Amino acid sequence: SQKIEQNSEALNIQEGKTATLTCNYTNYSPAYLQWYRQDPGRGPVFLLLIRENEKEKRKERLKVTFDTTLKQSLFHITASQPADSATYLCALAYNFNKFYFGSGTKLNVKP
Amino acid sequence: EAGVVQSPRYKIIEKKQPVAFWCNPISGHNTLYWYRQNLGQGPELLIRYENEEAVDDSQLPKDRFSAERLKGVDSTLKIQPAELGDSAVYLCASSFGGRDNEQFFGPGTRLTVL
Repeated sequence: SQKIEQNSEALNIQEGKTATLTCNYTNYSPAYLQWYRQDPGRGPVFLLLIRENEKEKRKERLKVTFDTTLKQSLFHITASQPADSATYLCALAYNFNKFYFGSGTKLNVKP
Repeated sequence: EAGVVQSPRYKIIEKKQPVAFWCNPISGHNTLYWYRQNLGQGPELLIRYENEEAVDDSQLPKDRFSAERLKGVDSTLKIQPAELGDSAVYLCASSFGGRDNEQFFGPGTRLTVL
C-alpha cells in the first residue's frame, strides 16, 4: 500500500518568513496531489492541486512543487502570518478519486 | 451556499452499543466520501460513493460498519457494535466527481467509545 510521510514534528517559524512543508511518498506516483489545511476541531480545507505532469503551482502566497523522480511535493507559504498556523495535509489521488492522506505537519507561525 | 453538514457533532457511547452518523453533501456533488481520522493522523478513507453506488469500500470493516446513500444525496454511516478502537473523528466529504476535483469536508463527528 502507499506510504506517505510528512514531518511529524511541528514546524515553528517567525512571522514574515517562508514556511516549507514536505510530503514524501513511496511506490508509484499519483495522478495528482492536493494540499489541505486543517484547524483544530474542523474538517480539512482544500488549498491547491498539482498534477503529475506539472512542476509547480502558485496561488497568492502559496506554492506547491511536485517531483515524481524524488517522489516528493513541497508546499511553501511565503510571508507567513500567525493566521497561517494550522496543520497541513497532503493527499495523493489514484484512480481518479481514491485519496491517501499524510498525517500532516503542524505549522506554528510566531509573531 | 451551505457546506457539507454532519450530525451529530459529538457522540459518546459505551462499547457494544450501535451508533449512526449522518451527512448531507453539497448540492450537486455526485461523489461522497466517509473518512475516519484518528488523533494526530490524516483522514483514512472508509467508503466512496458515486451517486448511490459504493464504488470503493475496500477499507470499510464490514463486520461492524455499514453505510448507505439512498437516492444519491445524503448518507448514513453505522457502527454496530462499537468497540473502544472506534473512537475517532468521522469526516464526510463531497465533490463534483470526475478528475481533479477538490473535496469539501464537513466538520466531522467526534465519537468516544467508553
